[in-house]
Amino acid sequence: DQQVKQNSPSLSVQEGRISILNCDYTNSMFDYFLWYKKYPAEGPTFLISISSIKDKNEDGRFTVFLNKSAKHLSLHIVPSQPGDSAVYFCAAKSDTDKLIFGTGTRLQVFP
Amino acid sequence: KAGVTQTPRYLIKTRGQQVTLSCSPISGHRSVSWYQQTPGQGLQFLFEYFSETQRNKGNFPGRFSGRQFSNSRSEMNVSTLELGDSALYLCASRRGTDAFFGQGTRLTVV
Repeated sequence: DQQVKQNSPSLSVQEGRISILNCDYTNSMFDYFLWYKKYPAEGPTFLISISSIKDKNEDGRFTVFLNKSAKHLSLHIVPSQPGDSAVYFCAAKSDTDKLIFGTGTRLQVFP
Repeated sequence: KAGVTQTPRYLIKTRGQQVTLSCSPISGHRSVSWYQQTPGQGLQFLFEYFSETQRNKGNFPGRFSGRQFSNSRSEMNVSTLELGDSALYLCASRRGTDAFFGQGTRLTVV
């Protein structure tokens, strides 16, 4: 039972445009959400997080939006750069303090 | 400040053998979690240790076990290896809510 879902396995965006990565979750008890970026053969790198008491958090080119009623979060990258090409994972912290990850979305930014 | 260190980076084992992977967390972090990553499956949670105690456990068979030492370093052991255990094994250390990952150990079972 996948509690955190990333329904788009891949996304292709032109350099300079906005990349929007989506994530849905099923458990309303999740209270903290994170986004990670992963290059091949490396560990995931922490990008940005958001608490359930907020609906937006911004850090440079990265903004995460949380819609609790829809149990949906999204990561916006503006402007997208070729170096952003990677697999992006969203994660949710459960009430037992466990991090549950989605299956990832592969982002490709082309010139 | 050193990051999370996992050793070895790569490992090839034969089916039926056992393997031990090591993880040294960021200094000051007492929580260590282990994940298995296989293509199309994302990061599957194995277990989490905090102050030498297993705090959370995922849905993996008993062949997968772990422990944590007093210096917060953690080891993960897989016994009776199967071909399907081939994966990238990732360790993450946490203090608070954000988790930071090591480079992972790529295990290949042949």
